[in-house]
Amino acid sequence: AQSVTQLDSQVPVFEEAPVELRCNYSSSVSVYLFWYVQYPNQGLQLLLKYLSGSTLVKGINGFEAEFNKSQTSFHLRKPSVHISDTAEYFCAVILFTGGGNKLTFGTGTQLKVEL
Amino acid sequence: ETGVTQSPTHLIKTRGQQVTLRCSSQSGHNTVSWYQQALGQGPQFIFQYYREEENGRGNFPPRFSGLQFPNYSSELNVNALELDDSALYLCASSQKGGEYYGYTFGSGTRLTVV
Repeated sequence: AQSVTQLDSQVPVFEEAPVELRCNYSSSVSVYLFWYVQYPNQGLQLLLKYLSGSTLVKGINGFEAEFNKSQTSFHLRKPSVHISDTAEYFCAVILFTGGGNKLTFGTGTQLKVEL
Repeated sequence: ETGVTQSPTHLIKTRGQQVTLRCSSQSGHNTVSWYQQALGQGPQFIFQYYREEENGRGNFPPRFSGLQFPNYSSELNVNALELDDSALYLCASSQKGGEYYGYTFGSGTRLTVV
């Protein structure tokens, strides 16, 4: 079975400070990894994904994430956050089965950017 | 290109009733997935449809059922509603092999069961 753990339910940070949102996964096989953002009363928007290749992945809005296979982690980072980054962030994995490739989500991290 | 649209946006139902939620997939997408997001939780996979057939199912009882139509739009039906069914229901569309091309999510339907 695969699972996703987001270690922090809430992360407060001041504007223009760096931030890291942590994500660990458990799986005995290769996985695809994703980060999604959810603004209030909206659906999910893809920030970035790791399928293969370079372990450092760059996404939208200045976010990046690094896949670390030995630590089974996929932490999300941004060097300087903005008020508009306040949202819920979800880490997700896919176990490729050849059909019905479902996303398994973590419980989310609420990022609150303060002035 | 149009995104994923879901209707209605909000819905209140009584325990024991039945509900139908609708989803119009993004243009060019042929696969639709449904997720349930309870308050304070991550989305949970319900099922996926590809070319009008169920193509994977999560750990949800049979009273959760779905349809996909020839235009790739989809419905989620829930019978015998329970209080715990209260949640945000998200629809996501993709091309086959969504992990490569990405899933596009709708804004969801907020279902409240009283």
